[in-house]
Amino acid sequence: GDSVTQMEGPVTLSEEAFLTINCTYTATGYPSLFWYVQYPGEGLQLLLKATKADDKGSNKGFEATYRKETTSFHLEKGSVQVSDSAVYFCALSDRGSGGYQKVTFGTGTKLQVIP
Amino acid sequence: EPEVTQTPSHQVTQMGQEVILRCVPISNHLYFYWYRQILGQKVEFLVSFYNNEISEKSEIFDDQFSVERPDGSNFTLKIRSTKLEDSAMYFCASNPRQTYNEQFFGPGTRLTVL
Repeated sequence: GDSVTQMEGPVTLSEEAFLTINCTYTATGYPSLFWYVQYPGEGLQLLLKATKADDKGSNKGFEATYRKETTSFHLEKGSVQVSDSAVYFCALSDRGSGGYQKVTFGTGTKLQVIP
Repeated sequence: EPEVTQTPSHQVTQMGQEVILRCVPISNHLYFYWYRQILGQKVEFLVSFYNNEISEKSEIFDDQFSVERPDGSNFTLKIRSTKLEDSAMYFCASNPRQTYNEQFFGPGTRLTVL
């Protein structure tokens, strides 16, 4: 079945540091890839997405490139802020066994940014 | 911008009681989903639903769980006899068609079973 592996957290960075959160996947089909963010006590928010190889998703200074050859979708941001502190989930959407889209999530990486 | 809504935001119940979690998907969406996130763990797929039928369900979705679209707007998840391990955040999601790759998630309902 499909799976998503992302780096273990927590990740603690100083404000304005460079962020990378690694994500790799395995999928039976040709999935779409996503990063979701979950702020403390809140639900899931879509951060960015990419639907085909070499696509770059970007939003709020975050970006990730769909790398089919390495089955990766690493999240990066050049300069993090305290307000970026949250849990980040890498995810893929692919056809499930019933033929319908199903989202598979990674375990999440907690990011803490300190002033 | 249309969004998925869920009620209640937090539900506390006693073990063995039935609970119904409610979701209102985006109005023109046809495919509906429930996911679960146990505290500190990853989000897990429970079930997908289309045309008043379950299209796929995970191993987690056993006989204690059921889903229903009782009217044209609501989509519900029922847990018949709650267990302590059902304590989790439950997310509803929807999308407009089978081939649409993005699912739109609601804010979640936190279920606490005592």
